[in-house]
Amino acid sequence: GIQVEQSPPDLILQEGANSTLRCNFSDSVNNLQWFHQNPWGQLINLFYIPSGTKQNGRLSATTVATERYSLLYISSSQTTDSGVYFCAALTGGFKTIFGAGTRLFVKA
Amino acid sequence: EAEVAQSPRYKITEKSQAVAFWCDPISGHATLYWYRQILGQGPELLVQFQDESVVDDSQLPKDRFSAERLKGVDSTLKIQPAELGDSAMYLCASSYGTGHTDTQYFGPGTRLTVL
Repeated sequence: GIQVEQSPPDLILQEGANSTLRCNFSDSVNNLQWFHQNPWGQLINLFYIPSGTKQNGRLSATTVATERYSLLYISSSQTTDSGVYFCAALTGGFKTIFGAGTRLFVKA
Repeated sequence: EAEVAQSPRYKITEKSQAVAFWCDPISGHATLYWYRQILGQGPELLVQFQDESVVDDSQLPKDRFSAERLKGVDSTLKIQPAELGDSAMYLCASSYGTGHTDTQYFGPGTRLTVL
């Protein structure tokens, strides 16, 4: 089945720094989403982005479907950005596969 | 803003006991998902419903787990008997359509501890 790999696994930033999180997938996908999981376990939608680029405030995402990767950019990071970031790919077989996540800690 | 509801939020049980989790999706959402998330890992899809029909349950341990969505609205996930390895967060999500072109929205989850 499809493999979804995220990097880096862990990231520590100073408040105000920028970062790029990467998601690689091993096969073509119909759907690609980015989520932020807060310390209480709630998964919050960031982007639905099967291709192209989207921006929402300090966050933006780009998916290059032909090269099978997606990037999540966080600019001017804040302590509230801490948590785990997941990408999830939906395959043609209706199955949603999550990556293992990137654990982000932003220091004040 | 509409949300996915789950209950209970926390459940502690002893092994060999039965447990049940409830999920109420966003109104009008046809697709409902149950995921299991073990600490330190990403969520794993257990079962997916389209209305009242199961679309995928290939990762559901059917010897002890069952799921139903009888009227195509809310859903129940049951474990009987619970085992120590079932300790995890159980997440419910819903989407308007089949999920191929729709965002999945997640509930707050049920954190299960099996003693």
